[in-house]
Amino acid sequence: LAKTTQPISMDSYEGQEVNITCSHNNIATNDYITWYQQFPSQGPRFIIQGYKTKVTNEVASLFIPADRKSSTLSLPRVSLSDTAVYYCLVGDLQTGANNLFFGTGTRLTVIP
Amino acid sequence: DAGITQSPRHKVTETGTPVTLRCHQTENHRYMYWYRQDPGHGLRLIHYSYGVKDTDKGEVSDGYSVSRSKTEDFLLTLESATSSQTSVYFCAISDLDREETQYFGPGTRLLVL
Repeated sequence: LAKTTQPISMDSYEGQEVNITCSHNNIATNDYITWYQQFPSQGPRFIIQGYKTKVTNEVASLFIPADRKSSTLSLPRVSLSDTAVYYCLVGDLQTGANNLFFGTGTRLTVIP
Repeated sequence: DAGITQSPRHKVTETGTPVTLRCHQTENHRYMYWYRQDPGHGLRLIHYSYGVKDTDKGEVSDGYSVSRSKTEDFLLTLESATSSQTSVYFCAISDLDREETQYFGPGTRLLVL
């Protein structure tokens, strides 16, 4: 079970770029790295997923170094609506959902 | 958003009573999951299903059972509810033939008195 370690909380001002790093030292060869966002009283929402190098979509970027033992979620120019909990997951759903570990996530607070 | 609904959205029950939570999807995804979320623990997997009548246990399956008699519905049953099962329950679905992601429902808040 590839567990992850990420900061418990972070604060950022509006308009700044936010980088949240996740450590996953025992990542397996077939594991993907996936980030979810969760607002209060809602279910987690998929943000981005990657296997190696860099992935970018309309919401965020994901940077993965060559050894894949960590990853960094980058949110450009955050706004107040980005205040949420962000979860880093490492695993391979194909081998079974028990392969995934959500952890407690990083609580991001965006300050006006 | 993926077509996932959960019912009921809120429930208050007493210790020792049976409770059934329902997850319904309109996406025809093969995989369905039940998680619980508690302060300090994040989301923990209870059970999951990889097809009709095919289920497997998750990390915290004790005290819970599941059933999936058709693709669109995944039921979670607490045979005899306990106060430790007070939690927020989330259902998720995935279509692993296309992508390695899960889509979550809105959650059910359960209080066991």
